Amino acid sequence: EVQLVESGGALVQPGGSLRLSCAASGFTFSDYNMDWVRQAPGKGLEWVGHIRRKSSSYTTEYAASVKGRFAISRDDSKNLLYLQMNSLKTEDTAVYYCTKVDSSADDSFDPWGQGTLVSVSS
Amino acid sequence: DIQMTQSPSSLSATVGDRVTITCRASQGIRDDLGWYQQKPGKAPKRLIYDASNLSSGVPSRFSGSASGTVFTLTISSLQPDDFATYYCLQHYTYPLTFGGGTKVEIK
Repeated sequence: EVQLVESGGALVQPGGSLRLSCAASGFTFSDYNMDWVRQAPGKGLEWVGHIRRKSSSYTTEYAASVKGRFAISRDDSKNLLYLQMNSLKTEDTAVYYCTKVDSSADDSFDPWGQGTLVSVSS
Repeated sequence: DIQMTQSPSSLSATVGDRVTITCRASQGIRDDLGWYQQKPGKAPKRLIYDASNLSSGVPSRFSGSASGTVFTLTISSLQPDDFATYYCLQHYTYPLTFGGGTKVEIK
């Protein structure tokens, strides 16, 4: 069974840093591009960023709202995806989901992890 | 950036109703659009990819279509399990963008 499990969410002060992890299982992680999506409380979904696989040099894409503050990386040897979040703002408060890019289905997102909550508050 | 305008933002319907949700892209995105269902407190789930292809395991009462820059999700006969929020997502170009969501509620 393909599974994604996020961890690392916490309460952090504005200006602080946090690293989220996403553990992948049930598929060959290194073969797939991966994304992060977030959802602020009571709001809609917002795409955060994307990381390509090794064959595409692990290149990344980011939403303007997080570019320069967030960084996505991966460790294919451990089947782990990361989201390093720096200079956190109150508006970064959200549930963060990792998701696999399904290259066999028009690069749609499937599956999604259960999410991890990041709260930014003083 | 490509804007995805989703409508309506909410609707009330009865079991058995035919429900239609629309996303309009601000520019052409080919068929690079998916539809996702989200229930409260849960992760989104893919329903449709490539605008009109049904994801494995998704009931056939769900369907997607496209006409130019207008994309439609249709539920042919609403079931109790379908009360949820639905989102479209364009992945034609970065930044990827979601529609604002449509909350389907019980009338």
